[in-house]
Formats: sequence, structure tokens, C-alpha cells
Amino acid sequence: LAKTTQPISMDSYEGQEVNITCSHNNIATNDYITWYQQFPSQGPRFIIQGYKTKVTNEVASLFIPADRKSSTLSLPRVSLSDTAVYYCLVGGSNQAGTALIFGKGTTLSVSS
Amino acid sequence: NAGVTQTPKFQVLKTGQSMTLQCAQDMNHNSMYWYRQDPGMGLRLIYYSASEGTTDKGEVPNGYNVSRLNKREFSLRLESAAPSQTSVYFCASSDRGQGVGLYGYTFGSGTRLTVV
Repeated sequence: LAKTTQPISMDSYEGQEVNITCSHNNIATNDYITWYQQFPSQGPRFIIQGYKTKVTNEVASLFIPADRKSSTLSLPRVSLSDTAVYYCLVGGSNQAGTALIFGKGTTLSVSS
Repeated sequence: NAGVTQTPKFQVLKTGQSMTLQCAQDMNHNSMYWYRQDPGMGLRLIYYSASEGTTDKGEVPNGYNVSRLNKREFSLRLESAAPSQTSVYFCASSDRGQGVGLYGYTFGSGTRLTVV
């Protein structure tokens, strides 16, 4: 499984756009990029997944350049409730018997 | 639709005691997983089951055993609890046998275990 590198922590203010970049230099051809969000005392929650280019849903956008060696999670106009840990994971949908490996994630702190 | 249900939510054990953490999912998912989370360590994979009848070790399997009882249930057992196993334990399931796919993982709410 491809290893990922992301910042340990980030700070922001309410109303700002937050971009969290993840590096995954060894991503394989059939790997997807998935981001999870975890609030204190809760299990992680799936927020977005992509393979290439751009994916957008009601929560976030995911930008993936052509070489797929990195990805950026974009949270538009964050609020205090977006304070959480964000995990970037890379894995292949066709690899039987594999499992997601979570790193330490990025702790996002949003202030008023 | 309950998703992934873990029991108990909290547990205190004495060193050397044994216990089983229960996990059940009602989404007809093929794969199930156990993670532990310690402060500053992120989530670490203990064991997983890619499909009913199979189990595999993850990053930190020592001191644990698992049983995939049926497609719905995946239990984690501590045979002789140690203080180093004090942690929050999360169970998860996914709807692709390969572990990650277009729909991601669904996590339970966790079991907070303290070993004294």
C-alpha cells in the first residue's frame, strides 16, 4: 500500500478555505485516494474519494493532478464544527485481502 | 439502519483479565476490521477479515485474537489484558472485499478500554 505524507496540524479561521495536501509518491495504477474525517470520541467518517482530476460533493472537493502523486482536500468556508482530524489514504480497489492503513492524519483547528 | 455497532462502549479491566469486544454490521459488507487508536498515534490496524471465513494480521496484532463469526459479526479478544492495551478500539466494515473501493469504510462509535 502506498504511504502517504500530510501535515500534522493546520490552523484556520471561520469562513476561510482550507486546503490540506497529501503526498503519495508511490501510488499504484489502481489505487484510489480517500479522505476521512474524525471528530473527538467518534469513529472516522468517509468524506470523499477520487481517482483523478477533481471530485466535489456537498462536504469538500478533492483535487488530484495528472501524475496522481499528491492530492489536495479543499474545505470551503470552514466553521468551528470542521475542527477534526483529517486522514488521507491510498489503496487499490482490486487488491483482495488488503486493508486501509491510517497515518496520524492532519489535525485541523478552526477558530472564531 | 444501525450501520456498525460495537459493544461495550466502555470497559475497565484488571491486568491479566480477558474480554471480547463485539462488532456487528447490518450493511451486508464483506470485509471487517479492528483498529486501535492511542493519543497522537492515529489509527492502527490490529486484524481484518476480507471476507467471511478469513482473517489476517494488521500492523499491531500481538496480544489479540479475532473471530469472524459470520458475515455480520467480527469479534476481538484480549486473552490476558495488559496496561499497554489501554486504548480506544474501532471496528469498521466495507462493502468491497478488497478493502477500499468506491464507497469507503463505515466505522463504529468505538470501545474505550482501560486496563489497570
